[in-house]
Amino acid sequence: DAKTTQPPSMDCAEGRAANLPCNHSTISGNEYVYWYRQIHSQGPQYIIHGLKNNETNEMASLIITEDRKSSTLILPHATLRDTAVYYCIVRVPYNFNKFYFGSGTKLNVKP
Amino acid sequence: EAQVTQNPRYLITVTGKKLTVTCSQNMNHEYMSWYRQDPGLGLRQIYYSMNVEVTDKGDVPEGYKVSRKEKRNFPLILESPSPNQTSLYFCASSFQGSDQPQHFGDGTRLSIL
Repeated sequence: DAKTTQPPSMDCAEGRAANLPCNHSTISGNEYVYWYRQIHSQGPQYIIHGLKNNETNEMASLIITEDRKSSTLILPHATLRDTAVYYCIVRVPYNFNKFYFGSGTKLNVKP
Repeated sequence: EAQVTQNPRYLITVTGKKLTVTCSQNMNHEYMSWYRQDPGLGLRQIYYSMNVEVTDKGDVPEGYKVSRKEKRNFPLILESPSPNQTSLYFCASSFQGSDQPQHFGDGTRLSIL
């Protein structure tokens, strides 16, 4: 299964864009990239996912490089409530029930 | 409102006293799963179910049982709980397919004394 690498922590000023990177250099062509976040000890919250194209929804944008070896989650206007641990996950189609969360990135949004 | 509901949210109990954590979803999802989350170990899958009457072990199934008699419910059973099962537990559900996001419940914090 493709492994993901994320920085352990990042800071962002409130109101600015938060750009969270993820490296998945061993990803295969049919594996989806998912992003989740976990605020304190609440249940992980789905944010966005994509395969090859960039994706945008009401929460965030997902930018996947052309070679698919890395991606960036963008929160366009971070608020204090976006402080959380963000997980980048690569999901394999032949074993889609496997959902490895890894260590994630702790995003600290500061006033 | 579409949701995954776990009960109880908190439980303190003693070693050996059987307990069940319930999980219910109202989204008609085929797939359901249980995870536990421990400091430094992240979320680890305990059991999953692809559909009614179909269950399989995840990465850390020892000491747990599950059943899937109805599509909406997926209870987690600890027949003889031990202190090493003290953890934060999450239930999740989704439609089948790698392009289907999993939706998580709010969690159940279990303390086994």
